[in-house]
Amino acid sequence: DVKVTQSSRYLVKRTGEKVFLECVQDMDHENMFWYRQDPGLGLRLIYFSYDVKMKEKGDIPEGYSVSREKKERFSLILESASTNQTSMYLCASILTGGQPQHFGDGTRLSIL
Amino acid sequence: GDSVTQMEGPVTLSEEAFLTINCTYTATGYPSLFWYVQYPGEGLQLLLKATKADDKGSNKGFEATYRKETTSFHLEKGSVQVSDSAVYFCALSDLNTGFQKLVFGTGTRLLVSP
Repeated sequence: DVKVTQSSRYLVKRTGEKVFLECVQDMDHENMFWYRQDPGLGLRLIYFSYDVKMKEKGDIPEGYSVSREKKERFSLILESASTNQTSMYLCASILTGGQPQHFGDGTRLSIL
Repeated sequence: GDSVTQMEGPVTLSEEAFLTINCTYTATGYPSLFWYVQYPGEGLQLLLKATKADDKGSNKGFEATYRKETTSFHLEKGSVQVSDSAVYFCALSDLNTGFQKLVFGTGTRLLVSP
């Protein structure tokens, strides 16, 4: 069965810290995505990657960067965490266009 | 650009009631349409999908029909259960505008009471 694993379910960090969120998929999918989920706003795309070392900005990339050194792993980096980045972060992957995305269980991140 | 509009929640129903959650979309191409469900404390999982006009997606008693003439993809279930309480997201994927990206609605929370 398809599996997307996010390294932490809950994370608490301080303002100004550099924060890493990790996501691993075991399906050999080319494409991986990072979203943030906020009440009333739905899911918004932060970054996506269509191949190793390849990335594109989504709708809200400011304050974030990503890394994809291996096909199965896609990391989201908060360069200097701020309180407005407190949110639920969801990782997803997909094999090809038109197919449904597979999601991890999410990381609830609190920035104090 | 592409967009998805869902009815605001929460939708509160008694067990065995009929459910409709409205979803309309705007897209320049010929999108694929999806309904995802998010149970408490979990990520999203695909509930059903439709890839062309007049297709009906169905799963676990839920149904939605791709209506190109009304640009809609409303979710229905004939008899809801307490276990259906969750947040439901309508989404589209349009290869003409965004690779494999999904555009999501804001989500509709469903609360079913015994």
